[in-house]
Amino acid sequence: DVKVTQSSRYLVKRTGEKVFLECVQDMDHENMFWYRQDPGLGLRLIYFSYDVKMKEKGDIPEGYSVSREKKERFSLILESASTNQTSMYLCASSRTGPSGGYTFGSGTRLTVV
Amino acid sequence: QKEVEQDPGPLSVPEGAIVSLNCTYSNSAFQYFMWYRQYSRKGPELLMYTYSSGNKEDGRFTAQVDKSSKYISLFIRDSQPSDSATYLCAMRYAGNMLTFGGGTRLMVKP
Repeated sequence: DVKVTQSSRYLVKRTGEKVFLECVQDMDHENMFWYRQDPGLGLRLIYFSYDVKMKEKGDIPEGYSVSREKKERFSLILESASTNQTSMYLCASSRTGPSGGYTFGSGTRLTVV
Repeated sequence: QKEVEQDPGPLSVPEGAIVSLNCTYSNSAFQYFMWYRQYSRKGPELLMYTYSSGNKEDGRFTAQVDKSSKYISLFIRDSQPSDSATYLCAMRYAGNMLTFGGGTRLMVKP
């Protein structure tokens, strides 16, 4: 069964910590995405990547960075976690071309205290 | 105005009812339309995928696209409590980026 795996389901971090969220896909997809999801705000795109070592800012990149050193792995980094980054973080991947929807991971619920 | 509008609900129906979930959109360039289902504390999963206008049926689910009205629908027949979830519409044009609606929360009561 193909999937997108996010390393943690629940995470609690302190304000100011550097936080790494890991995402791995086993479908050989070219494209990978990081979203955050908050009640009433829906899915908001943070960063995406079309290829290894390539990244593009989404709608809300401030306070985040990403890394894609290998095709299957896309990491989201919170440089200095703040309480307003408490959220559900979702990773997704897709194939390039018209046939692709996104495949999402199960999400990481991050709480910053 | 958002590109994709979706009533957030919640929509509460009795078991066995026919459910209609809808999205409207403003960008006439959208060609590919999807519905995702998201259970509580889980990631969204792709439910239906359609290209351009028309209907697509899969079991109890029917997706309908009316490009002339910029309106898409998902119908669920004989709804079950296990259908209780948030349903997100999504759409895109030739590129790879999906634009999502905000999601409608559905509750099917036994």
